[in-house]
Amino acid sequence: AQTVTQSQPEMSVQEAETVTLSCTYDTSESDYYLFWYKQPPSRQMILVIRQEAYKQQNATENRFSVNFQKAAKSFSLKISDSQLGDAAMYFCAYRSVLYGNKLVFGAGTILRVKS
Amino acid sequence: ETGVTQSPTHLIKTRGQQVTLRCSSQSGHNTVSWYQQALGQGPQFIFQYYREEENGRGNFPPRFSGLQFPNYSSELNVNALELDDSALYLCASSLAPQGDYGYTFGSGTRLTVV
Repeated sequence: AQTVTQSQPEMSVQEAETVTLSCTYDTSESDYYLFWYKQPPSRQMILVIRQEAYKQQNATENRFSVNFQKAAKSFSLKISDSQLGDAAMYFCAYRSVLYGNKLVFGAGTILRVKS
Repeated sequence: ETGVTQSPTHLIKTRGQQVTLRCSSQSGHNTVSWYQQALGQGPQFIFQYYREEENGRGNFPPRFSGLQFPNYSSELNVNALELDDSALYLCASSLAPQGDYGYTFGSGTRLTVV
């Protein structure tokens, strides 16, 4: 079974600075998808960024980028120019291509942004 | 285009009771997935419904059951509630079971069992 581990329960960053959230996963599959979701106090899960395992290039969405290291099974999220609105719980998630009807989530990292 | 709507937002039940949670999927989405998020943890997959049939189930006992209706809305039913069932229940809809075009989540139902 696949597992996702987020080793940082909580992180803090100064407004306008850069922060990196860590995620590792375990799988025997070669093809899969990885995601970062943001959950603000409103509780709604919002997709931040998505990476397909067969793509070498790291995904980027505006201020958000990932460092995907397939051999190391690592998938970190970098947030540049942090804003107060980035404060939330961040979840790393895995989805199999073969058995792709569910997301497997990590335990989450709380991100606090200081002004 | 409306998003995913869940009801109720909060409820309190007594151990042993039964509860029904509801989810209206995003317009055009035919697949609904349910997740349980205990306090301080990541969501855990309960099951998925696709075209009114269960299409995959996580490690949850049979007292967790569901339905999907012709309009693709869905219900999650939990019988014989236990204290450990206290959690945020999230519904997510998608265009297809694999969610290749993304999952749209609702804001969840906070269930407290006392």
